[in-house]
Amino acid sequence: QKEVEQDPGPLSVPEGAIVSLNCTYSNSAFQYFMWYRQYSRKGPELLMYTYSSGNKEDGRFTAQVDKSSKYISLFIRDSQPSDSATYLCAMSDGNQFYFGTGTSLTVIP
Amino acid sequence: SQTIHQWPATLVQPVGSPLSLECTVEGTSNPNLYWYRQAAGRGLQLLFYSVGIGQISSEVPQNLSASRPQDRQFILSSKKLLLSDSGFYLCAWSPDRAYEQYFGPGTRLTVT
Repeated sequence: QKEVEQDPGPLSVPEGAIVSLNCTYSNSAFQYFMWYRQYSRKGPELLMYTYSSGNKEDGRFTAQVDKSSKYISLFIRDSQPSDSATYLCAMSDGNQFYFGTGTSLTVIP
Repeated sequence: SQTIHQWPATLVQPVGSPLSLECTVEGTSNPNLYWYRQAAGRGLQLLFYSVGIGQISSEVPQNLSASRPQDRQFILSSKKLLLSDSGFYLCAWSPDRAYEQYFGPGTRLTVT
């Protein structure tokens, strides 16, 4: 079983839709949770990070962590064509990082 | 603010040729540095990480090596490239192993 599981998609939504991206994990020692956005042929860009359960909001983006279910989500409100990218989740137990394989998202104008 | 640079951006090399990819970080001191390879649809594979000058840890035994000659410089090398070395190579830094990592723009390597 992989440490981090992420549905690769692809996910295609119309502009303005709410997008939900998810990752599950198996290691209860994970304490730090991150989301990265990667445009084609570019390096991943840190989008959001959180160190606790609950929600964290930044503009149109909301990161949610449920440690009891070992489940994290990224919500994108009012999605835009510029949100089309691959989204990677990442987690750390304080010593090592683990990345999901990424979910490819396309927002159709 | 911190900035991370990688070069070259793209590289096409024949099998058996040497390789040197460079990564530098600005605006911070004593960063943790990482080299990743990203293959299409396969996520990020950690190759090497470094917590200080001359301190290199290898995650995967392979045809590559890494060096850190200066605090904010990280180099990925190979003496003889294989076809399987093709991929997108990413350098990253973090202030601490526990916390978020920041990635460079990447180098796309094609071995022919």
